[in-house]
Amino acid sequence: EADIYQTPRYLVIGTGKKITLECSQTMGHDKMYWYQQDPGMELHLIHYSYGVNSTEKGDLSSESTVSRIRTEHFPLTLESARPSHTSQYLCASSESGRAHEQYFGPGTRLTVT
Amino acid sequence: SQQGEEDPQALSIQEGENATMNCSYKTSINNLQWYRQNSGRGLVHLILIRSNEREKHSGRLRVTLDTSKKSSSLLITASRAADTASYFCATDGGSGYALNFGKGTSLLVTP
Repeated sequence: EADIYQTPRYLVIGTGKKITLECSQTMGHDKMYWYQQDPGMELHLIHYSYGVNSTEKGDLSSESTVSRIRTEHFPLTLESARPSHTSQYLCASSESGRAHEQYFGPGTRLTVT
Repeated sequence: SQQGEEDPQALSIQEGENATMNCSYKTSINNLQWYRQNSGRGLVHLILIRSNEREKHSGRLRVTLDTSKKSSSLLITASRAADTASYFCATDGGSGYALNFGKGTSLLVTP
């Protein structure tokens, strides 16, 4: 089982609130990723990081932001949640180098009312 | 888009039968990976096949890759109810920085 953790697992929050989804891994991986996935649909990459102080936007435009101050920690923040942000958010990590397998956390299911 | 596309979208079989899922992609790749996702959970890596490989086995899983057709297949032999999940293929699109996932095949294995 992968040593990558996400909290909370489920979050129901009102419109306009600021939220932070936590992701931590204990494998020492340099690369970390955030994906957004609607039920029954594909994963969309929204942010990734090659290492500390490195963050990049992914293929899907997102109003969220990320930070990478420590290798093991890659939180995602929504400054003002909206119903359109309702989705499942998956965090993953991998070793450096070309396209290694990714290890996924259990996900955070976010509902914005 | 560089995303893989799985076929069929959904598959229902009985325990003991084999399940075959296909994946097509659009650009050159370094490798192709298959993942499984149980309902409401994260993805679990199943198998990685490199672009210079044609076939790979792991337990009851058999993956083939045809780079000339830009396609891959995942075969699960002697399926079990516990194999019920969604299965995704993922390609690196040659860039190496991230994976592109398809929409997945939803597999239901009934006792």
